[in-house]
Amino acid sequence: AQKITQTQPGMFVQEKEAVTLDCTYDTSDPSYGLFWYKQPSSGEMIFLIYQGSYDQQNATEGRYSLNFQKARKSANLVISASQLGDSAMYFCAMREGGSNYKLTFGKGTLLTVNP
Amino acid sequence: GAGVSQSPRYKVAKRGQDVALRCDPISGHVSLFWYQQALGQGPEFLTYFQNEAQLDKSGLPSDRFFAERPEGSVSTLKIQRTQQEDSAVYLCASTPGGGRGYTFGSGTRLTVV
Repeated sequence: AQKITQTQPGMFVQEKEAVTLDCTYDTSDPSYGLFWYKQPSSGEMIFLIYQGSYDQQNATEGRYSLNFQKARKSANLVISASQLGDSAMYFCAMREGGSNYKLTFGKGTLLTVNP
Repeated sequence: GAGVSQSPRYKVAKRGQDVALRCDPISGHVSLFWYQQALGQGPEFLTYFQNEAQLDKSGLPSDRFFAERPEGSVSTLKIQRTQQEDSAVYLCASTPGGGRGYTFGSGTRLTVV
């Protein structure tokens, strides 16, 4: 079974509107971390936001927020007020266990922001 | 350095050639990871170092792939007798510990012709 599932291969959004990118995960480990990364066409992986499994509140970083629904095992990324520069691939990733260890990535969602 | 540095940025290899990809992590970062990213896919884990110790190499696809980090800093990923299916972007990431703060390099795009 896939550990990270991103069901939206591509998404379109109008500039200045909000968009939600879906991510579900699968783990039996009670301690884990969830990450979102942005990968523009230039190729670098840019960290956006992190949510720990024990965090009580949803994470927020500027225009990015993470809608964490633990019981449903979902960790959707919400981008508010989309900008043209937000057009990129977005990856959800999970670290299992509390210690430093590898990230497992989903297949990604290609977001296109239209003017 | 300020970020994770990878070199070369692009590499074209003839099938059967050996290649070496370099990763220079952020100074003081204990953990270092290598990932392989095929076109249109998410990164796939290859191997993990904590300091100079290679603690997990379960993602290396074959014995043609070898990674080292002899002094616990710079790491090299070596691919012997390259094949077309090795064509991908190879990403390196480092982290100081604590389970977050993974910083990725810009990657090396390997094309095997």
